Amino acid sequence: GIQVEQSPPDLILQEGANSTLRCNFSDSVNNLQWFHQNPWGQLINLFYIPSGTKQNGRLSATTVATERYSLLYISSSQTTDSGVYFCAVESSTTGSGYSTLTFGKGTMLLVSP
Amino acid sequence: KAGVTQTPRYLIKTRGQQVTLSCSPISGHRSVSWYQQTPGQGLQFLFEYFSETQRNKGNFPGRFSGRQFSNSRSEMNVSTLELGDSALYLCASSSGWGARETQYFGPGTRLLVL
Repeated sequence: GIQVEQSPPDLILQEGANSTLRCNFSDSVNNLQWFHQNPWGQLINLFYIPSGTKQNGRLSATTVATERYSLLYISSSQTTDSGVYFCAVESSTTGSGYSTLTFGKGTMLLVSP
Repeated sequence: KAGVTQTPRYLIKTRGQQVTLSCSPISGHRSVSWYQQTPGQGLQFLFEYFSETQRNKGNFPGRFSGRQFSNSRSEMNVSTLELGDSALYLCASSSGWGARETQYFGPGTRLLVL
């Protein structure tokens, strides 16, 4: 099946710093989604971004589908940005005709005041 | 619009018991997917339901089952619980095309098997 690798696995930042998280995938995909999981376990969808660039406030994401990677940019980080960031790609399930989301292992971000 | 809700939020069970978890999708959403999250395996797809039919299934043993009702609410059941079933169980809803659309997740149910 498709492999999804995220880097770095852990990241510690001071409040106000910028960061870039990377997601590499092993095969072509129809779509890619970025999620933030807060310390209580809630997964929040940040971006649905099969290709191109999107921005939402201090967050932006870029997917280069032809080169099989996506980047998530966090600018002027805040303590509330702490948590785990996951990318997930849509991959086909053999035989079913439908697809599933395959998640990477995530990047754990800690933003200190 | 209310978000995805899951009940209960926390559960403690013993080995050999069975458990049923519930998920209510966002109003109007017809696809419900279930995921298991553990520290070792990460987030893994369990199954997806659409219009009361299981449309897709991940690589989990038959002890894991689910169903969907006519109002799109979904339940998953785990029989003969094992210690390794301790996990955060998340459900996600979308309007109809499952993984092809933006997925909205519930807060999860934390299951501890003793």
